[in-house]
Amino acid sequence: SQTIHQWPATLVQPVGSPLSLECTVEGTSNPNLYWYRQAAGRGLQLLFYSVGIGQISSEVPQNLSASRPQDRQFILSSKKLLLSDSGFYLCACLAGGSTEAFFGQGTRLTVV
Amino acid sequence: KQEVTQIPAALSVPEGENLVLNCSFTDSAIYNLQWFRQDPGKGLTSLLLIQSSQREQTSGRLNASLDKSSGRSTLYIAASQPGDSATYLCAVRFQGGSQGNLIFGKGTKLSVKP
Repeated sequence: SQTIHQWPATLVQPVGSPLSLECTVEGTSNPNLYWYRQAAGRGLQLLFYSVGIGQISSEVPQNLSASRPQDRQFILSSKKLLLSDSGFYLCACLAGGSTEAFFGQGTRLTVV
Repeated sequence: KQEVTQIPAALSVPEGENLVLNCSFTDSAIYNLQWFRQDPGKGLTSLLLIQSSQREQTSGRLNASLDKSSGRSTLYIAASQPGDSATYLCAVRFQGGSQGNLIFGKGTKLSVKP
């Protein structure tokens, strides 16, 4: 089965600083990849998804962007962080031919 | 609008009890429903996946049922243990949604007391 790696596990960044969160997948090829954000007291919200290299779809307008430079690599970025970007960011994978989603261990981002 | 609701938001039970967590969804046109477990500060662990054509799935002490026509799913946990304490999330993949996107409920926080 696939394994999803996310790093870093925790991050504290000042307002206005850049952001780069990385997600890599092992054990599958050509997966659908997703970035979710989980804010306190709220459900998981889909931010971006990708069905292939260079293909990114955004679900909500925001201060963030995503890129998929390689088949099993998904990156979440920002040029200038806002306080409202704080949250728990989760990467998810839907492997080809499977309908079961798997998640990474998440990154806790605190913008101060 | 496609939504998923989980009731109750929190549940506290003594060790050994059988318990049921509820999930409801607004549109019966689904591909599948997935139950996850989340420990504090951690990612999501997949527990059970039920396809739209299935009525239930079992794994160990866990049993999940699906009634698509009424828009409901339940997660049954038998003989609960303190190690079952976590937040349980229900997620639905609706037909017509973004490429494989899961819509999540807000979860039920379960506490099993020794």
